[in-house]
Amino acid sequence: AQSVTQLDSQVPVFEEAPVELRCNYSSSVSVYLFWYVQYPNQGLQLLLKYLSGSTLVKGINGFEAEFNKSQTSFHLRKPSVHISDTAEYFCASYPSGGSYIPTFGRGTSLIVHP
Amino acid sequence: NAGVMQNPRHLVRRRGQEARLRCSPMKGHSHVYWYRQLPEEGLKFMVYLQKENIIDESGMPKERFSAEFPKEGPSILRIQQVVRGDSAAYFCASSPDVNTGELFFGEGSRLTVL
Repeated sequence: AQSVTQLDSQVPVFEEAPVELRCNYSSSVSVYLFWYVQYPNQGLQLLLKYLSGSTLVKGINGFEAEFNKSQTSFHLRKPSVHISDTAEYFCASYPSGGSYIPTFGRGTSLIVHP
Repeated sequence: NAGVMQNPRHLVRRRGQEARLRCSPMKGHSHVYWYRQLPEEGLKFMVYLQKENIIDESGMPKERFSAEFPKEGPSILRIQQVVRGDSAAYFCASSPDVNTGELFFGEGSRLTVL
């Protein structure tokens, strides 16, 4: 069984400050990992994904995430946030074999203050 | 290439009525997922379908809920005899294959049960 835990339900931050959104996963098999962003009243959009290879993954809008197998984590980071980054962020896992069902965390609301 | 299209975007029903939510996947995508989103609960998997087949419906309530993805036409999520607890945003996502786990989301259908 898979599970994804996003440790923070809400992260307030000031504009131009760095931010880290935390994600831990649990799985009995190898997984692929994803971060999605959801703006108000919209669907989810892919920010970045880790399938294999380099553990540091760069995505759109200046975001990056690091896969840490020993800590079973996939934290999302951005060195300097903008007001427009205010949104809900979801971490997801997908088993690399079998099941075919992506599992999502509960989401982290990033609130960027001017 | 049009994205995933969901309709209606907003639907209001009275208790006991039926709700039908439609989803047209991206062109070339034969895998469709339905998720339900409630505030503070993130995205909950409901059902995974391929053309004409339900592959996994483990997240869907056994009563009142059904889903289909016919050979021609959109995927449909049907909720019979709606209750207030069915009020939520329902998201459809499509995928071209099961190898990477990346999902492409629609903008969602927001169901309100009076």
